[in-house]
Amino acid sequence: ETGVTQTPRHLVMGMTNKKSLKCEQHLGHNAMYWYKQSAKKPLELMFVYNFKEQTENNSVPSRFSPECPNSSHLFLHLHTLQPEDSALYLCASSQEQRSSYEQYFGPGTRLTVT
Amino acid sequence: DQQVKQNSPSLSVQEGRISILNCDYTNSMFDYFLWYKKYPAEGPTFLISISSIKDKNEDGRFTVFLNKSAKHLSLHIVPSQPGDSAVYFCAATPVGGTASKLTFGTGTRLQVTL
Repeated sequence: ETGVTQTPRHLVMGMTNKKSLKCEQHLGHNAMYWYKQSAKKPLELMFVYNFKEQTENNSVPSRFSPECPNSSHLFLHLHTLQPEDSALYLCASSQEQRSSYEQYFGPGTRLTVT
Repeated sequence: DQQVKQNSPSLSVQEGRISILNCDYTNSMFDYFLWYKKYPAEGPTFLISISSIKDKNEDGRFTVFLNKSAKHLSLHIVPSQPGDSAVYFCAATPVGGTASKLTFGTGTRLQVTL
């Protein structure tokens, strides 16, 4: 595997379910991110992890719970979601250092909450 | 408050012609700008970038122009090809920033027609 991978690619879940999204980066980066992309909205940054430590939580509801066990893996645990949480969830990674600005994205998980 | 704005949600251009995608920003502290391209069912991929010390950067068919006084940047694609049909996001990071400080625009969907 190369780059950033995400599983599953598609997920349909009920409002009472618990599920997890998984992201893995094979680039040796030290920072990982979760984004939410809804139609006609900018990419919404949800969580940032630098060296496995969460450095940003942009007012994300507690029904979204991130986990970063090591610098290569990132999870997003989902619990009692709402229909408005249906969106494309993107994971990204980067090398957090000066003069390095690119984030590398995974293909995303298309989440539908019914 | 949307600091990076892409006011045209969509653009249609004929194959072989020039595509011009625009992006405006409000934060004068932004120092480095990037364009990302996103195909359906894939994550965004880095396309081209420009530092605020330059006003133009060219890479093959893609050229990014930066007008700091107007807080405006544009992406030119010449000639446009059907494979360029995608959503294009501009992104910016502030002085001294790193990849974790990227702010994305809402995206412009480019359709290149035959």
